[in-house]
Amino acid sequence: DGGITQSPKYLFRKEGQNVTLSCEQNLNHDAMYWYRQDPGQGLRLIYYSQIVNDFQKGDIAEGYSVSREKKESFPLTVTSAQKNPTAFYLCASRASGDGSYEQYFGPGTRLTVT
Amino acid sequence: AQKVTQAQTEISVVEKEDVTLDCVYETRDTTYYLFWYKQPPSGELVFLIRRNSFDEQNEISGRYSWNFQKSTSSFNFTITASQVVDSAVYFCALSEALGVGGADGLTFGKGTHLIIQP
Repeated sequence: DGGITQSPKYLFRKEGQNVTLSCEQNLNHDAMYWYRQDPGQGLRLIYYSQIVNDFQKGDIAEGYSVSREKKESFPLTVTSAQKNPTAFYLCASRASGDGSYEQYFGPGTRLTVT
Repeated sequence: AQKVTQAQTEISVVEKEDVTLDCVYETRDTTYYLFWYKQPPSGELVFLIRRNSFDEQNEISGRYSWNFQKSTSSFNFTITASQVVDSAVYFCALSEALGVGGADGLTFGKGTHLIIQP
């Protein structure tokens, strides 16, 4: 059945290491997104991609990088330059359009960096 | 810049009570879209509703209803006869119509934690 998968659900890393979070969708959606959620906060946009081989910075892109080599996949790398990487990361996708379509979210990855 | 405000950080009610979650938004665009999402303890966001700026009709879906008022820039969400399973964090979000080279993505409020006590 169609949906968005994120793996792993929990991830632990040492400070100074880069880590890559996986996001895969089989909804045939063109647009994909990465959000970050901190306790008691709403979601903030990190990066988005509206089409393969193209992506744009969101509101808090510093310390993160992405790639979009395949329509189904939009991995997020949290680099050692990200000052506060511990957070809940959510991936989403949306059918192409003018922004009116809703985004569908994956189950999230909870990253802890110590 | 667009902004979404959910002033209620946490609401606690007893089961079967009605409860309204407030959402106030700011945008300079005349065409925009409003959304509500539910985040249960598992963490995944569940889409509830989308509303276009040019459609101010209120909507009802079972025990859920939404009141959209452009005059007050509000998009409030009411749960009638609440149930324990309604306990979750609820987010209101906004997106603007994409123009050429326009920014994409949702702007979220900080969420309202709804607790339904048995």
